[in-house]
Amino acid sequence: DGGITQSPKYLFRKEGQNVTLSCEQNLNHDAMYWYRQDPGQGLRLIYYSQIVNDFQKGDIAEGYSVSREKKESFPLTVTSAQKNPTAFYLCASSEGGETQYFGPGTRLLVL
Amino acid sequence: SQQGEEDPQALSIQEGENATMNCSYKTSINNLQWYRQNSGRGLVHLILIRSNEREKHSGRLRVTLDTSKKSSSLLITASRAADTASYFCATDANDYKLSFGAGTTVTVRA
Repeated sequence: DGGITQSPKYLFRKEGQNVTLSCEQNLNHDAMYWYRQDPGQGLRLIYYSQIVNDFQKGDIAEGYSVSREKKESFPLTVTSAQKNPTAFYLCASSEGGETQYFGPGTRLLVL
Repeated sequence: SQQGEEDPQALSIQEGENATMNCSYKTSINNLQWYRQNSGRGLVHLILIRSNEREKHSGRLRVTLDTSKKSSSLLITASRAADTASYFCATDANDYKLSFGAGTTVTVRA
C-alpha cells in the first residue's frame, strides 16, 4: 500500500521544547516537502528536499530544521525559536517536481 | 510566497448545481494544478494543466488556463455532497516548488 504517512496525528508542545514531526514515504520519490497551514489559509513552504542529503529553505524556514538522511524519510523539527508553532503541518513528496502527494497531516498545539 | 489567489473565498451551492472557482497568478508558470482538501485532512491532487494547454477534463472536472490573463478556472459539474471541501490552485514555475493560493471553500447543500 503506497503512500505517505505522518505521525503523530496530534502533537503538544510545551514552552521552550523542540518537537519532531515524522514523515515517511514508500513511493520512491526523490523530492519531499514540508508545509505549514494556518486556519483558513493556503499552504506555506517550510523546507524542501530534491534529493537525499540535500535540502533548501522555503518561504518560512525560521524556527524549523530538517534532515534527509534516507530517501523515504524527511523529519521536521519545530524548535523553541518558533514562537507561533500552532498550525497544521503537511508533508508531501513528488517525482519530477510536478504532482505532489500529501500525507494526512500533523496538528501541533502549544500547551 | 503565495502566487495563486482563488476567487471566491467561499461558495455554497445546491446538490446537482455546477461550481466554478477561479485562480489568478502573477508570474510565468510551467503548469498549474488543482488540489482538494477535506476538513482536517491532507491535500489530494485533482488535475494538472500545462502552460501550453487551454482546457482539460477529468470526470466531472473541467479546468481552463489562460496564460495571457494569468488565470485558471475549475468547474465541478453536477455537484454532490462529497464535493464539499476546500479547493486550492498551485502554480509550478519549474523550480521544484509549488505556490499555493488561499483556497475556495465549497459547501454543497443536500
